[in-house]
Amino acid sequence: NAGVTQTPKFQVLKTGQSMTLQCAQDMNHEYMSWYRQDPGMGLRLIHYSVGAGITDQGEVPNGYNVSRSTTEDFPLRLLSAAPSQTSVYFCASSYSSTGGSTEAFFGQGTRLTVV
Amino acid sequence: SQQGEEDPQALSIQEGENATMNCSYKTSINNLQWYRQNSGRGLVHLILIRSNEREKHSGRLRVTLDTSKKSSSLLITASRAADTASYFCATERDDKIIFGKGTRLHILP
Repeated sequence: NAGVTQTPKFQVLKTGQSMTLQCAQDMNHEYMSWYRQDPGMGLRLIHYSVGAGITDQGEVPNGYNVSRSTTEDFPLRLLSAAPSQTSVYFCASSYSSTGGSTEAFFGQGTRLTVV
Repeated sequence: SQQGEEDPQALSIQEGENATMNCSYKTSINNLQWYRQNSGRGLVHLILIRSNEREKHSGRLRVTLDTSKKSSSLLITASRAADTASYFCATERDDKIIFGKGTRLHILP
């Protein structure tokens, strides 16, 4: 049982390049989400999904796309990287239940630098 | 925004003392959770309290929730060096889980 796996752990991009951050979970969780963490800003929600085929925007969705074709995978795509997207990205998953989600399990993060 | 705001931003206490962190939020919520993050690592879930609950305990942790004041507190009793970390509250509403900016806790030997 690997939990939530994020790849890559580190990435350097040039401005304008695109890339996909991978996230996979093996816990059959319905709910998955992406956050970015910047110094002094806490975690900010980018996109989330309540199940396969369903995605929605969070607090800071601009510049990012997601898809959820399977329960297990929730990739985050950067369309045209900008220096403002330099951050640490976390993927999380949890069960969904009536009255809200249960505890979230986090991946170890992807440290992205855009130059 | 429903974002929780933790208070204080940073806290230093002696080992063995109790640590209290507070979280305030703006909208009605389904539940509130507390997480811990060690430097450079992913977040680890500590405790979840639902909107119809007022207090929960887990080991050395005690969480309270006051929905009328839109606030929660996390108490860590008998602190240890290993408790040094950042602590975040997260509120859930309409399928969105929103985090605050966190409290940095430093346990002094």
